[in-house]
Amino acid sequence: DGGITQSPKYLFRKEGQNVTLSCEQNLNHDAMYWYRQDPGQGLRLIYYSQIVNDFQKGDIAEGYSVSREKKESFPLTVTSAQKNPTAFYLCASSISLLYEQYFGPGTRLTVT
Amino acid sequence: QKEVEQDPGPLSVPEGAIVSLNCTYSNSAFQYFMWYRQYSRKGPELLMYTYSSGNKEDGRFTAQVDKSSKYISLFIRDSQPSDSATYLCAMSASDYKLSFGAGTTVTVRA
Repeated sequence: DGGITQSPKYLFRKEGQNVTLSCEQNLNHDAMYWYRQDPGQGLRLIYYSQIVNDFQKGDIAEGYSVSREKKESFPLTVTSAQKNPTAFYLCASSISLLYEQYFGPGTRLTVT
Repeated sequence: QKEVEQDPGPLSVPEGAIVSLNCTYSNSAFQYFMWYRQYSRKGPELLMYTYSSGNKEDGRFTAQVDKSSKYISLFIRDSQPSDSATYLCAMSASDYKLSFGAGTTVTVRA
């Protein structure tokens, strides 16, 4: 089955720790994205990648970092510099930029 | 003012009713319009994707775009309890960047 997987589903961390969220896709999509979803707000773009070894900041990149070493994988690291990291994180992919985006199941991160 | 406005609801309808959802937007450059369905604690699922103005129908779902009024709608006919979810509108201009509404929570009562 083709799709996007995110792991883990739930993640708990102490304040001050970095944490990495996994995103893998087997759709052969070139473009991948990371969004953050908070209650009562629309999805906000953190980072996106058009091709391997290339990525760009979105609207709220501060306190986050990414890498794109393989076409299938786009991990997101939430660093201790992110002021309010508790949120639902969603990874998406598309054939390329401008095409419709498909989402993974999400990771709920709780930092205490 | 937000770029995309969507009434959060909640919206509660009886089974079999027509569900009517809408979004307004301010950016006249938007030309790609999407509706996503999101179940609780799950990722959004793409329901409808339309380009420019007009109507698009897919089974029980109809999406309408009125660019002159900067208004888009989603109608769900013969609603079922399984349609209970949060519905997100999203739109973009000529680039990758999607602007999302905050979502409308819908409950279909059996």
